[in-house]
Amino acid sequence: GDSVTQMEGPVTLSEEAFLTINCTYTATGYPSLFWYVQYPGEGLQLLLKATKADDKGSNKGFEATYRKETTSFHLEKGSVQVSDSAVYFCALTLYNTDKLIFGTGTRLQVFP
Amino acid sequence: KAGVTQTPRYLIKTRGQQVTLSCSPISGHRSVSWYQQTPGQGLQFLFEYFSETQRNKGNFPGRFSGRQFSNSRSEMNVSTLELGDSALYLCASSLDGGAGANVLTFGAGSRLTVL
Repeated sequence: GDSVTQMEGPVTLSEEAFLTINCTYTATGYPSLFWYVQYPGEGLQLLLKATKADDKGSNKGFEATYRKETTSFHLEKGSVQVSDSAVYFCALTLYNTDKLIFGTGTRLQVFP
Repeated sequence: KAGVTQTPRYLIKTRGQQVTLSCSPISGHRSVSWYQQTPGQGLQFLFEYFSETQRNKGNFPGRFSGRQFSNSRSEMNVSTLELGDSALYLCASSLDGGAGANVLTFGAGSRLTVL
């Protein structure tokens, strides 16, 4: 079935370090891809999205490129801040609905 | 404008009881979906409603049900609660469904503890 696989966490980085969180997917159709972020005690916030191959989503310094050939959507940021500490979820949707399939989430901890 | 509002934020129930959770979407949004978040299973889709009709349903037992009202507000109900139902229940809304084209906005969640 359709699924999303994320790298295990936690990812621990020093402030200003480079971040990569890997995400790969399996889908029967042609999905839209998302990264959501969850801060402690809060719901999910959309970070970025891409709806077709080679699209690059970007927001707040984070970027991810929809790679159909490798079925991947890796999240990157050039210089993380302490305030980026949160749990990051990769997700996909098919058939243009609000039914999202999520990965297991990756906790990011950034230390000063 | 106001975000997605979920009530109650926290609740404690005992096994065998039932619970009703409420979700008020962003004004003008007609699609509401529900997700269950647990440490073991992660985020799982429960159901999606659009214009008072259930459009999608996840793989959950019949004890989990929902509905949507004409003002787009939604409720979900869990009957005969089990310990494993302890979770954060998240509601999300979008303009008309289709998360690929629309932004799906989540509420802060209702945290249910079953004792």
